[in-house]
Amino acid sequence: DIQMTQSPSSLTASIGDRVNITCRASQGIRKELGWYQQKPGQAPKRLIYAASSLQSGVPSRFSGSGSGTEFTLTISSLQPEDFATYYCLQHNNYFSFGQGTKLEIK
Amino acid sequence: EVQVVESGGGLVQPGGSLRLSCVTSGFSFSSDWMSWVRQAPGKGLEWVANIREDGSAKYYVDSVKGRFTISRDNAKNSLYLQMGSLRADDTAVYYCTSVDGYWGQGTLVTVSS
Repeated sequence: DIQMTQSPSSLTASIGDRVNITCRASQGIRKELGWYQQKPGQAPKRLIYAASSLQSGVPSRFSGSGSGTEFTLTISSLQPEDFATYYCLQHNNYFSFGQGTKLEIK
Repeated sequence: EVQVVESGGGLVQPGGSLRLSCVTSGFSFSSDWMSWVRQAPGKGLEWVANIREDGSAKYYVDSVKGRFTISRDNAKNSLYLQMGSLRADDTAVYYCTSVDGYWGQGTLVTVSS
């Protein structure tokens, strides 16, 4: 099974900050990874697919990069609505999620 | 407009059974792998099961193998999860999701006596 190690587990940042969240796969997964945002009481929402492709309707301040075993989600300039929990999901070999990153306002 | 609507959750006693349903519209259901994902209260997301577009392949997380069965009916654009021998640690919100990133709002399953 592929393990996804996501870091950090929590992050405190201010409006306008640039933030990076990382996922590391226990073995190569090519670019078969997505990033999800989840707000309390809501279903997850996909932001990025195929590691770096922006889901339709998602603001361009979100971007993804990486391939193989190292992946990064970047939010270029934090907005109030971005404070949420973020997950990576690999679908190269079955599915597995990262543990999540809770992004909180400073 | 894409719609994904789960149903069938509820309170069930340990050892009991439950069948979840997911009805979809607005995307090409029969062309997509579909999955069930769950989230225990206050916890992260956990993949539960996948099914190929034509139902010919099914995969499960180890903790539900032999207890849960995923199935689909492409004529009805519907996905199912038959759950048996339920345990307290199966308590979670269960989400139906497609490989294209569509998610329902989830249905809560509570296993308790």
